[in-house]
Amino acid sequence: SAVISQKPSRDICQRGTSLTIQCQVDSQVTMMFWYRQQPGQSLTLIATANQGSEATYESGFVIDKFPISRPNLTFSTLTVSNMSPEDSSIYLCSAMGTATNEKLFFGSGTQLSVL
Amino acid sequence: SQKIEQNSEALNIQEGKTATLTCNYTNYSPAYLQWYRQDPGRGPVFLLLIRENEKEKRKERLKVTFDTTLKQSLFHITASQPADSATYLCALVATGGFKTIFGAGTRLFVKA
Repeated sequence: SAVISQKPSRDICQRGTSLTIQCQVDSQVTMMFWYRQQPGQSLTLIATANQGSEATYESGFVIDKFPISRPNLTFSTLTVSNMSPEDSSIYLCSAMGTATNEKLFFGSGTQLSVL
Repeated sequence: SQKIEQNSEALNIQEGKTATLTCNYTNYSPAYLQWYRQDPGRGPVFLLLIRENEKEKRKERLKVTFDTTLKQSLFHITASQPADSATYLCALVATGGFKTIFGAGTRLFVKA
């Protein structure tokens, strides 16, 4: 199994600012993903973080708004740029392991509130 | 359009009874289906995976069935306990893909 550390766990931000969320996995993983979860809603996939190349974004999400880095097999960041109140949500990092390449492991999430 | 539907109403059951949660999907050809548990303020935790060619999977008190004709999975918790109270998420990975797509989840309350 993989243990994922995500930080910050929560933040309150001002409109127009940016926040970078960090995700650290305790072992090398094949794939990393970023999800968003709004209250009472399902997890929505934002993008697949690709090691050493640009992330692959889902429909409705763009790189300028959600730039993602993945410099190695254990670490990724998601930046929420130029925030508005509509960005208030829980952001979750997840990973798919090399040995368990089907199930996902998740961090505890970042609860973001934008004022 | 593709949809994964779970009962949005919370399920309330008495301790010791069997909880049954439903997941229906449309316009997917799933390679496999998963169930996750999510507690408040935490990320989802993987419970069980069932493949398209499997009918049933069991793990301790948990049982999952998968009917690709009905496009439905049922998730059972037998001898339920208050500690089983959580939100349970159904998730699919389409054939040939790797992205995991989630339903909205069903909240389960088990009363002592």
